[in-house]
Parts: sequence; C-alpha cells; structure tokens
Amino acid sequence: DIQMTQSPSSVSASVGDRVTISCRASQSFTTWLAWYQQKPGKAPKLLLYAASSLKSTVSSRFSGSGSGTDFRLTISSVVPDDSATYFCQQADTFPITFGQGTRLEIE
Amino acid sequence: QVQLQESGPGLVKPSETLSLTCTVSSGSIGDYYLSWLRQSPGKGLEWIAYIFHTGSTEYSPSFKSRVTISQDTSRKHFSLTLTSVTAADTAVYYCARHYTHIGAAFHDWGQGTVITVSS
Repeated sequence: DIQMTQSPSSVSASVGDRVTISCRASQSFTTWLAWYQQKPGKAPKLLLYAASSLKSTVSSRFSGSGSGTDFRLTISSVVPDDSATYFCQQADTFPITFGQGTRLEIE
Repeated sequence: QVQLQESGPGLVKPSETLSLTCTVSSGSIGDYYLSWLRQSPGKGLEWIAYIFHTGSTEYSPSFKSRVTISQDTSRKHFSLTLTSVTAADTAVYYCARHYTHIGAAFHDWGQGTVITVSS
C-alpha cells in the first residue's frame, strides 16, 4: 500500500494568511492525488483532484501542486470558514489510501 | 447533483455481521463507481471497496476476506456486508461516488452512519 504522510499535523493561521499543507507519498506516482476538507460531524468534501484540478464549486483560494512523492495544498488567503481538517488521498494504486489529516485553526 | 444516504443498525455485537445500505435519495448515480469508506479515530479514513455499474468490484486487501459489496438493478440501493466484526470496526461508514477507477476522487458523499461494535 502507498502510505501518505501529511505535515504539519496541525497549523494555526490568521485571517488573510497563506497556508500550505504538505503530503508525502511512500512511493512515486504522477498526479492522482486529491484533497478534501472535513468539518466536525460532516463528511469530507472534495476540493481538488488530479493534484491541481479544482472542483467547480470550490473557491479559487484553494490550489494544489506537486508530483512524484511530494504534493501541496495551498490556501492563498484564509478566512474563518476554512477552519477544518484537510486530507490528501492517492488513487494511483489500489488500495486507495489517505493521509492522517492536518487540522487548520484560524486565530 | 446526487444525494447519498447511508443507513445501518447503529450497534453490532462482536463476531456478528454488519449490513449497511447506501440509498440514492436524490438524482442518479449514473454509470459511475460507488465506494464504501470508513473513518475512525484510530485508523483515520479507509477505503473499503467499490462497485461499478457493470457489477465489477474491487476490494481493499485489508477487508477482502470479510466484505461484500452489491447493488440492486436500479442502482438506487447499494449494500455492504462485513462479517466477524470486532471493536476495531467501530467507525463512521460512508458511501461516495467517483467517476474513475485509477485517479478516483470522491466527488459526492453521504452524511455517514455511525457503527459501534460492542456487546
């Protein structure tokens, strides 16, 4: 199985800050990586797929990059509603696997 | 926009079989994939299995010996059965739709159903 490791495990930011969350894979693959946002008591919500393709309903403040083993989710200017846990997920090789999550707190 | 809704027993005894249903409550799932996933504090998000409109399936090796996924002919009801449950199977179980096999991204999710395994 491909292991996905996110860093940091938690981050605090102020409104307007730029935040980057990293996701490292245990083996290299091309672009089949997705990012999700999850709020307490809710299902995950897809933000980006294929590493950098933004889901149509998602704010353009979210962007994704990377390939190989290193991928990044960037939020260009955080707002209070971005407070959530973020997960990466690889779908290059089955079984599909997820990172452990990064909690974003907005101060 | 499709709406998915999971349902299950809530509480299951150890060694018993867990049966879950995912209902398409609004819209259509189309000729796409339906996966089951779960989330627990200890193991995080785990993908369990998918079923395609053709009936083809794929299972995670972690669950393959204990799980069966199925669908009805209308593709309005999808089932997951998990045998010989233990406390480690306590989790929130989700169903979700994706459009591809390789490169699967879960575009639509149900709200989840909480399953507790306890005597």
